[in-house]
Amino acid sequence: SYVLTQPPSVSVAAGQTARITCGGDDIGTVSVHWYRQKPVQAPELVLDYETDRPPGIPERFSGSNSGSTATLIIDSVEAGDEADYYCQVWDSSTNDWVFGGGTKLTVL
Amino acid sequence: QVQLVQSGSELMKPGTSVKISCKASGYTFTRHAVHWVKQAPGQGLKWMGWINTNTGRPMYAQGLTGRFVFSLDTSVSTTYLQISSLEADDTATYFCARDVPGGGHDSWGQGTLVSVSS
Repeated sequence: SYVLTQPPSVSVAAGQTARITCGGDDIGTVSVHWYRQKPVQAPELVLDYETDRPPGIPERFSGSNSGSTATLIIDSVEAGDEADYYCQVWDSSTNDWVFGGGTKLTVL
Repeated sequence: QVQLVQSGSELMKPGTSVKISCKASGYTFTRHAVHWVKQAPGQGLKWMGWINTNTGRPMYAQGLTGRFVFSLDTSVSTTYLQISSLEADDTATYFCARDVPGGGHDSWGQGTLVSVSS
């Protein structure tokens, strides 16, 4: 089955840019979705198709996807951005949705 | 507005069964599939499968045992997850989520904690 690899943690100072990666074989050829999960809350879709922001998600959130790595980019990071972030793709070989292991973003 | 509201926490004994509900509102229920996602304590998200709310056909993730069954009642816009022969490893928060055709899951229930302990 398809495996998505995320770093367990990323730390960034407030006001700086956070980059959270999601690695997978030829991930650049599929659509990647990103979710944010704050403590004791349900996940929330923050990027659809790598770059589409749902209503209410600020422009500070953007993404890229090429080759074997997709990246969630959060500009001007704020304390409220602290959360676990998950990438997700559709694995057409198994007809399963697959989540990455998640990355804990810490704002210093 | 779109809402998915799940049933409350459950404390269950091993070997018993539990049925969790997920009630949708704010949209046409049969136009969006519903997914189920498991999150064990301190762990990440694991997709379990989805149910076509138009046909009622469930699709389960590879490796998911027959102890897990998705169902629905369109008359009350509600989907269900039933887990039988509960085991300690079933202890987790279970989320339902609305499908966006061709896209991700754009609305989530608040989660239902199922604790399995003797």
